[in-house]
Amino acid sequence: GENVEQHPSTLSVQEGDSAVIKCTYSDSASNYFPWYKQELGKRPQLIIDIRSNVGEKKDQRIAVTLNKTAKHFSLHITETQPEDSAVYFCAAGQYTGANSKLTFGKGITLSVRP
Amino acid sequence: GAVVSQHPSRVICKSGTSVKIECRSLDFQATTMFWYRQFPKKSLMLMATSNEGSKATYEQGVEKDKFLINHASLTLSTLTVTSAHPEDSSFYICSARAGLAGATPNEQFFGPGTRLTVL
Repeated sequence: GENVEQHPSTLSVQEGDSAVIKCTYSDSASNYFPWYKQELGKRPQLIIDIRSNVGEKKDQRIAVTLNKTAKHFSLHITETQPEDSAVYFCAAGQYTGANSKLTFGKGITLSVRP
Repeated sequence: GAVVSQHPSRVICKSGTSVKIECRSLDFQATTMFWYRQFPKKSLMLMATSNEGSKATYEQGVEKDKFLINHASLTLSTLTVTSAHPEDSSFYICSARAGLAGATPNEQFFGPGTRLTVL
């Protein structure tokens, strides 16, 4: 099955700096890579996702890059703000399919220092 | 749109009793729902995949007779923890997947979670 590794486990940055969170996956059949943000006491929310037919996707301050050859993908947050502080999960799975499921990484706690 | 609710949000029960947790998709039909367990400061561990009208698919190591899943309609899936023990205490989160317009087919919408404490 799929195995998703996420590094580092914690990350602290100064407000305004950039943050990069990296994940690796093991199953070359995976073609869908979403990122979820979970604030304390709240549910995970999808913030951005990428399919394997593209190498990069951007949405305002957030971008995701994918390297299929190396089987890793990264989340980039620019101009970080205190409200970006949360746990971020990467995941890998199939884009479609009746029983497709997502395998999540262990999560990273991002702290943005004011 | 794409709102998922869970009930109850918190439950405390005695060891040996059974607890039912409901997961509802409020504004869309969910062909597939997923049940996760989340430990403090840990990731989301998939327990089972629930498909409407068919038996759930359990992940390796998850006891299907202990964690009963029923997905009787396109908007409701239930997880029943039978004969609960203190080690079953955890945060249980469901997610629902649907083919909404503009949504990716495998996008999962999460419920708010249920905190189960077994005394």
